Amino acid sequence: RKEVEQDPGPFNVPEGATVAFNCTYSNSASQSFFWYRQDCRKEPKLLMSVYSSGNEDGRFTAQLNRASQYISLLIRDSKLSDSATYLCVVNSFTGRRALTFGSGTRLQVQP
Amino acid sequence: GAGVSQTPSNKVTEKGKYVELRCDPISGHTALYWYRQSLGQGPEFLIYFQGTGAADDSGLPNDRFFAVRPEGSVSTLKIQRTERGDSAVYLCASSLTSASNTGELFFGEGSRLTVL
Repeated sequence: RKEVEQDPGPFNVPEGATVAFNCTYSNSASQSFFWYRQDCRKEPKLLMSVYSSGNEDGRFTAQLNRASQYISLLIRDSKLSDSATYLCVVNSFTGRRALTFGSGTRLQVQP
Repeated sequence: GAGVSQTPSNKVTEKGKYVELRCDPISGHTALYWYRQSLGQGPEFLIYFQGTGAADDSGLPNDRFFAVRPEGSVSTLKIQRTERGDSAVYLCASSLTSASNTGELFFGEGSRLTVL
């Protein structure tokens, strides 16, 4: 089983739609969670951290459910520029001080 | 520039050859990471340096892969006897300290390796 699992998509949504992605992680000891964004043929960039209480950044809302070991990202009022791959990221097993990335969920916002 | 710089941006080589990929991190960043990314996959961890030492090399797939960071800045990823399965984009990232809690990794644009 992969450490971080995501639905690869693609999610095809019209402009203005609300879309949500989920991600599950296998290690219950994971402490830190993040969403990265990766545009086609570009490097990944940090989108936002995910806090236990949930957090919002403009049109983006991230939530964490520790009991079920899943993380979500909600995008409201989708823009064409939101089209990208969204990578779910967790700190991995105890002792490894590097981040573990999911395979990503591709979002295509259509006019 | 002020970002992470990787060279070469593209490398085509033949099976069995030796390859070196270079990463120049953001100035002052003590942590440096190598990942590789295949098409349709997320970045896969290879190795992490804190300063000059490899703090975690558990992601290196086998002994054909080796990385160094002799002066705590520039790092070189070395791949011996390349195989077709090594073809991928090799991403380097740096952070001010360990990124496990902050999550802030700054990636370079990657080196695309193609093994024929």
